[in-house]
Amino acid sequence: EVHLLASGGGLVQPGGSLRLSCAASALPFTSQAMDWVRQAPGKGLEWVSTISDHYSKTAYTDSVKGRFTISWDTSKHTLYLQMNSLTVEDSAVYFCVPYDISGRGYWGQGTLVTVSS
Amino acid sequence: NFMLTQPPSVSASPGKTVTISCTRSSGNIATTYVQWLQQRPGRAPTTVLFDDNERPSGVSDRFSGSYDTSSNSASLTISGLKTEDEAVYFCQSYDSSRVFGGGTRLTVL
Repeated sequence: EVHLLASGGGLVQPGGSLRLSCAASALPFTSQAMDWVRQAPGKGLEWVSTISDHYSKTAYTDSVKGRFTISWDTSKHTLYLQMNSLTVEDSAVYFCVPYDISGRGYWGQGTLVTVSS
Repeated sequence: NFMLTQPPSVSASPGKTVTISCTRSSGNIATTYVQWLQQRPGRAPTTVLFDDNERPSGVSDRFSGSYDTSSNSASLTISGLKTEDEAVYFCQSYDSSRVFGGGTRLTVL
């Protein structure tokens, strides 16, 4: 069983920044891609960002381009999401989702980000 | 990019079979794999099917998937419904980015 825990969420004012982390050292496979996915309260799932191709290629949903940065620290086996210029629309639970070679995604507990003044 | 459209809700009685559809707005449903996720209230999603119809270990064989190119849709079928199957189900596929359907709330009456 894969255990993932996203951390780093919290309450932040509009315009502020947060850095989310996801420790993936216990993954029993080499991930072919890793996503950040968010879910606003009572809403559906929204893809935010992906890092892939041995952590060299990144992609972002349009609403976060230029504000969010996904990265991977090989030495710490940790995925990050640096979030800047946050708005109330960014409020959500954020999940990190690694994918194995077959394309199966693994979901752990997310971290709640609340953007409010 | 494309969209995936799911019915907002479905319901069925215990022991019955239910099918949830996921219609792709553009591009061929068969060209990229579809995953199905289950999310129980207050919990993180879990994968119940990947690669259209592959079950992760531990997922009941009551869950199966398929697709129909004529309707450009994928489907999740759950047979022998149990009350524990009550959840929201999301389909997911990808093109240049990951795409999620809006989710379907399954009620087992």
